[in-house]
Amino acid sequence: DAKTTQPPSMDCAEGRAANLPCNHSTISGNEYVYWYRQIHSQGPQYIIHGLKNNETNEMASLIITEDRKSSTLILPHATLRDTAVYYCIVRVANNNNDMRFGAGTRLTVKP
Amino acid sequence: NAGVTQTPKFQVLKTGQSMTLQCAQDMNHEYMSWYRQDPGMGLRLIHYSVGAGITDQGEVPNGYNVSRSTTEDFPLRLLSAAPSQTSVYFCASSLQGQTEAFFGQGTRLTVV
Repeated sequence: DAKTTQPPSMDCAEGRAANLPCNHSTISGNEYVYWYRQIHSQGPQYIIHGLKNNETNEMASLIITEDRKSSTLILPHATLRDTAVYYCIVRVANNNNDMRFGAGTRLTVKP
Repeated sequence: NAGVTQTPKFQVLKTGQSMTLQCAQDMNHEYMSWYRQDPGMGLRLIHYSVGAGITDQGEVPNGYNVSRSTTEDFPLRLLSAAPSQTSVYFCASSLQGQTEAFFGQGTRLTVV
């Protein structure tokens, strides 16, 4: 699976959009981009995933560049409860079990 | 719908002891997996299963055994606990294909 690179930490003001970048320059054509987050020491929580088109759900938006070498997770109106570690993961289609978690980005939402 | 349930939540073991971490899911998911998370690090895959009777090794399988006799349960067994196995263990399950994985709340294990 492709390696991902994320900044170790980011801050965001409450109510503002949080934009979390992820580089995955070696991504293959059949690899999807997934985002999970981990609040405190809880189990990771799925946020969103995509292949090449931009995706949006009730939690966030995922913007994938045209060359698929990077992506951005957008939390449109960050709240204090969005403070967490965010993981960007790429994995081969249908390989549910092999998600390689890096260190992620620790997002701190400040009042 | 309970989702993924892990027991116990906390456990302290002495070096050399054995124990089983339990994981159960009620969503009829084919895929189940075990991860460990050391302080300040991401999760690392220990073992996984694509269905009842089928298991395989992940990134860090040494010192752990698994079995999958039913769809619902995927226990992780530590054969002879070592201090290096002190970690938080997470179980996850998912359906086949491009779907989200559901994680349990974790078991915090300390080996002294």
